[in-house]
Amino acid sequence: SQELEQSPQSLIVQEGKNLTINCTSSKTLYGLYWYKQKYGEGLIFLMMLQKGGEEKSHEKITAKLDEKKQQSSLHITASQPSHAGIYLCGAVRDTSGTYKYIFGTGTRLKVLA
Amino acid sequence: NAGVMQNPRHLVRRRGQEARLRCSPVKGHSHVYWYRQLPEEGLKFMVYLQKENIIDESGMPKERFSAEFPKEGPSILRIQQVVRGDSAAYFCASSPLPHLAKNIQYFGAGTRLSVL
Repeated sequence: SQELEQSPQSLIVQEGKNLTINCTSSKTLYGLYWYKQKYGEGLIFLMMLQKGGEEKSHEKITAKLDEKKQQSSLHITASQPSHAGIYLCGAVRDTSGTYKYIFGTGTRLKVLA
Repeated sequence: NAGVMQNPRHLVRRRGQEARLRCSPVKGHSHVYWYRQLPEEGLKFMVYLQKENIIDESGMPKERFSAEFPKEGPSILRIQQVVRGDSAAYFCASSPLPHLAKNIQYFGAGTRLSVL
């Protein structure tokens, strides 16, 4: 089973529309990261959230981490074709005293012009 | 992507051959991570290395796979006797800090391995 569940798996929106991507874990996370991956390329770091209830914004992208640090959402306002790509959430979990980096399966976003 | 360089970008190998993937971290970063991404799947952690040391290889298959990060030169992920199931995108990331909770990893563009 996937340790980090992302939803939806894919999303197609019309340019200018708002959208939200969710990332959920059954366990408390120590650090939640959002990355964007363009098709066939590497990952670009977007934002890091650490504290419960934390919210960060960069341009038209806002990410939140819930109080329990088990769920995060990424919200894009007024989407543009440049927002298209795969959005991955990554997190750090404490596994028996060892930190492990884990990633969700990604959300594939298409923005129609 | 903050300067992590991976090469080659694409690698084609026949079954039974060896694949060598290289990763040069961001200048000054001494912590390197390797991940594998299979189609329709997320990134899977393989190994975490510091200079000259393997710190965590819990995600790496026990056979045919090895990794190193020598004092000089890039980190190398080596896959011996490749099989079709090894076909995937392999990503390298580096960080300036140790493997801690508050740590941003910078990713390379990946090496896409195809095994014929």
